[in-house]
Amino acid sequence: GGIITQTPKFLIGQEGQKLTLKCQQNFNHDTMYWYRQDSGKGLRLIYYSITENDLQKGDLSEGYDASREKKSSFSLTVTSAQKNEMAVFLCASSPGLGGFYEQYFGPGTRLTVL
Amino acid sequence: GDSVTQKEGLVTLTEGLPVMLNCTYQTIYSNAFLFWYVHYLNESPRLLLKSSTDNKRTEHQGFHATLHKSSSSFHLQKSSAQLSDSALYYCALSDQTYGNEKITFGAGTKLTIKP
Repeated sequence: GGIITQTPKFLIGQEGQKLTLKCQQNFNHDTMYWYRQDSGKGLRLIYYSITENDLQKGDLSEGYDASREKKSSFSLTVTSAQKNEMAVFLCASSPGLGGFYEQYFGPGTRLTVL
Repeated sequence: GDSVTQKEGLVTLTEGLPVMLNCTYQTIYSNAFLFWYVHYLNESPRLLLKSSTDNKRTEHQGFHATLHKSSSSFHLQKSSAQLSDSALYYCALSDQTYGNEKITFGAGTKLTIKP
């Protein structure tokens, strides 16, 4: 088995601030994902990466940057936090890309912007 | 592009009654893979069941679903709801077409089971 850890668990920021969320996995999976979870909108893909140093934009990439410097870690940066923004960011990993592969999720980072 | 529709955002049922959560999808590709993920409060989302075979029933942990490509549906069912089934359920779609390997999630259905 393996585990995905996300830090921090709770993140409070100020409007306009740059904020970084981190994700680590020990499954040795190639593919990693960042999703944003909003009530009534499901899980929306922000970025994904199919290998170290690879980055692919999802449907919600505007306003975010990502970094995959190691196979085991995938970071997400909110480039300029929006006032009153509240969301949960979920990291996931998968042994392969799309198709029939299961995604394994972390516990999430809850963002609040004051 | 691909899309997944979960019509019910909130479903509230009494314990012991049958559960049916609707999921329909749209894709131009014939090789569709459908998933149900479950997200319990204070836990990580996890896979509940998956299928790519037309008209074959898939079961796991008391839940079942059948992929019907003719109607583009993959409804989640359970014969008798339990209090512990209260959670957020996501239907998701993927395909094996190179260049379109992402999973598309529906908006989710929050299932609440009452005594």
